[in-house]
Formats: sequence, structure tokens, C-alpha cells
Amino acid sequence: DADVTQTPRNRITKTGKRIMLECSQTKGHDRMYWYRQDPGLGLRLIYYSFDVKDINKGEISDGYSVSRQAQAKFSLSLESAIPNQTALYFCATSDPGLVSGNTIYFGEGSWLTVV
Amino acid sequence: AQSVTQLGSHVSVSEGALVLLRCNYSSSVPPYLFWYVQYPNQGLQLLLKYTSAATLVKGINGFEAEFKKSETSFHLTKPSAHMSDAAEYFCAVRISGTYKYIFGTGTRLKVLA
Repeated sequence: DADVTQTPRNRITKTGKRIMLECSQTKGHDRMYWYRQDPGLGLRLIYYSFDVKDINKGEISDGYSVSRQAQAKFSLSLESAIPNQTALYFCATSDPGLVSGNTIYFGEGSWLTVV
Repeated sequence: AQSVTQLGSHVSVSEGALVLLRCNYSSSVPPYLFWYVQYPNQGLQLLLKYTSAATLVKGINGFEAEFKKSETSFHLTKPSAHMSDAAEYFCAVRISGTYKYIFGTGTRLKVLA
């Protein structure tokens, strides 16, 4: 089983609909992230959380919200989806650096298409 | 602000030829630097990372990268390309003093038979 699991892996939704992407991890990390990948733009940080009570906006948080339900769960919501939110979304976790040197680990991605 | 620049969004090499993917960073302090690989329809997988222990870092699948402070570079190389190396490669830096990571825009490597 994957250490970082994202659901759904693929979703097509209509403009104006609410959509939630879920992420769970079994690595025991406190730090979790949501990134968005667009062709030619690389990965851009949407939100990040360093523990259940600490949530921070990234560089492109407008139109998104997150919830950290537990140490292992971090969900991303699009309250009212729009077509330019069509992208590949990645959840990720990172360790505190003592064991594996601050490596960030990724889920397999969630393809979201807004029509 | 710290940033990462990958030169060349697409690189093509012949099978067996040298692979060189370029990454330059901007950082006022010694950074943590990473290379990730993304195969089609998959997530990002760590290739290697620099954490100040050694300037030449060896990773998986025969890849290595050299940290050059004077050039603010962390280029990725592999002596002999294999067809299975065809993928997109991302350079990343961890912002010092934080646990935020900035990624380059990626380089898509094509290996020609």
C-alpha cells in the first residue's frame, strides 16, 4: 500500500460544484501539503499544515480550502469549482529531518477536470 | 526570495548518451536541494537530495548531481541514458528555516532509440 493515498484519483465535475480531495498518510509525519501541477508551471503550493492546529496558505490558495482532520488526514476542497482549477493535484508529507533529511513524499495525484 | 530555475523544459538524448538536466537555485544560505522524477500517470519519486554532507550526491537509477555553491547549481547527470529514463524531472529546494518546498517548472526528458 502507498504511504500517501489520495482519493479520488480522477474526477470530472461541473463548474460551480463543490469537490473534496482527500489525503491520508501512514508515514506518521506531522507536515502535510497540497500542491497543484500544471504543464509548464511545475508544482505550486496551495496549502500546508505542520500539525492539526496549524494550517497555512501557500502561493495559490484562492478558491481552495483545507481541513486537517487528524495527523494522518488532510483534505482539500474547492468550494465552487471553475474550469481553470482543472489540474493534477498532489498531496505530500515531509519528515522533521532527523531520519531522512527533510524529504517530501508524494501521493500518486488526483486528476481533477472542471467542465 | 528563494527560487529554482530549470533550464530547458524539454531535453532529448539518444539512448546511451549522457544525460544533463540543469538546475540553478537562489538561496542566501546553504539549501536543501532535491531532484524528483515523475513517470507518466504517477506521483513524484525522490531521485536524490543534497543536505550538505557531500557535494556529489548519488541517487537511484544511476543518477547523480553535484552541488556547486559558486555557480548556485545542482545539475543532474547520468552517464548513459536508458529508454526507461524518459520522464519529467523536477528540481526542488527547501526554504531554509521552514518546511516549505519550492519546485522548478520541470524538464521532460525524451530518450531516442
